Amino acid sequence: KAGVTQTPRYLIKTRGQQVTLSCSPISGHRSVSWYQQTPGQGLQFLFEYFSETQRNKGNFPGRFSGRQFSNSRSEMNVSTLELGDSALYLCASSQLAEGNEQFFGPGTRLTVL
Amino acid sequence: SQELEQSPQSLIVQEGKNLTINCTSSKTLYGLYWYKQKYGEGLIFLMMLQKGGEEKSHEKITAKLDEKKQQSSLHITASQPSHAGIYLCGADESFRGGTSYGKLTFGQGTILTVHP
Repeated sequence: KAGVTQTPRYLIKTRGQQVTLSCSPISGHRSVSWYQQTPGQGLQFLFEYFSETQRNKGNFPGRFSGRQFSNSRSEMNVSTLELGDSALYLCASSQLAEGNEQFFGPGTRLTVL
Repeated sequence: SQELEQSPQSLIVQEGKNLTINCTSSKTLYGLYWYKQKYGEGLIFLMMLQKGGEEKSHEKITAKLDEKKQQSSLHITASQPSHAGIYLCGADESFRGGTSYGKLTFGQGTILTVHP
């Protein structure tokens, strides 16, 4: 079975731009969670989607949004980029509705200049 | 929400030595994950613990969850350079019900260096 894939792997943007990151979960997994990892804050939960519905959201501004498609693939969008948005963005997929192992993708490294 | 504290923050050992990483929670742990991360890459799932007193092993890595379910430890026997990386513990918030779906709260990580 193929693992979680994320595209692109690396991205460089300038302040004020917007960006869209993509995540394809493991086949059969319906839950997709997104995380932001920075040296200062560590790994922080952004949001979770299941069956195209956002069920949970972390403490991030409204510039961070996401969606999930009927095939469980998910995208996250960050609008009006700030320097502090530079981070490794990770998505994870899980098979069951709750309480199951999350498997992570390789991440997208976003650099905001 | 839950807070996890890992110790030590970093660890340097000689190849062949045993080591232990601890993860302490401010609340009862209902689902505790251990992951390994190479710098700048994704997280590799190691083990998940749910029951008090539970212990799981994979190759030379053993993870335990204490009876009170507030502390977990990860033990590596006869460390190798391939064990080097960042080890992260994560608490599964979804076990608490409510709307905590799909959320793991992570410790700050332990950086392991293994010298050959």
